[in-house]
Amino acid sequence: DVKVTQSSRYLVKRTGEKVFLECVQDMDHENMFWYRQDPGLGLRLIYFSYDVKMKEKGDIPEGYSVSREKKERFSLILESASTNQTSMYLCASSLPGQNNEQFFGPGTRLTVL
Amino acid sequence: AQTVTQSQPEMSVQEAETVTLSCTYDTSENNYYLFWYKQPPSRQMILVIRQEAYKQQNATENRFSVNFQKAAKSFSLKISDSQLGDTAMYFCAFLAYSGAGSYQLTFGKGTKLSVIP
Repeated sequence: DVKVTQSSRYLVKRTGEKVFLECVQDMDHENMFWYRQDPGLGLRLIYFSYDVKMKEKGDIPEGYSVSREKKERFSLILESASTNQTSMYLCASSLPGQNNEQFFGPGTRLTVL
Repeated sequence: AQTVTQSQPEMSVQEAETVTLSCTYDTSENNYYLFWYKQPPSRQMILVIRQEAYKQQNATENRFSVNFQKAAKSFSLKISDSQLGDTAMYFCAFLAYSGAGSYQLTFGKGTKLSVIP
């Protein structure tokens, strides 16, 4: 079974702090994704990566950056956390191609005070 | 840009009954994929069912089936013999080509389904 893990289930940070959210997958997937999930808004794509050191902006990249130094690991970085970044963050991975489902991690609920 | 609309924020169904969740989408593409994902309370998102746009036959996975109407751009999910474990948020998603050989999912806002004993 594909396993996607995220470093924390719950995280509380203060405004202005630098925040790292880590995601690791164990199925050698090329594609990895970061979403944020907010009530009434569904999932919105922040960034994705289709190969090591490659990244593409999603629909809402502002205030975020990403890093993919190894194939299995995809990090989401909040350079200076703000209260409007309080959200649930979901990581996903998939094989390349159109037919392949994305496998999701358990999510990190981030609260910025 | 593709959009996905789920017009029912919340629904409920009696155990063992059948329920249909609606989804419409907007696209100018001819070949694409559609998905329904399920997110149980405090648990991971998992794929329920997928549909390839070029296939006329509706996809079926056990108690889950879709009614895919390509001309109407409609992709509803039918759950038969509802079970308590079907209680979850359900998201409809559209897969589109986003360049550089990669594909991007666009999600609807979700429908919260409650199965009542």
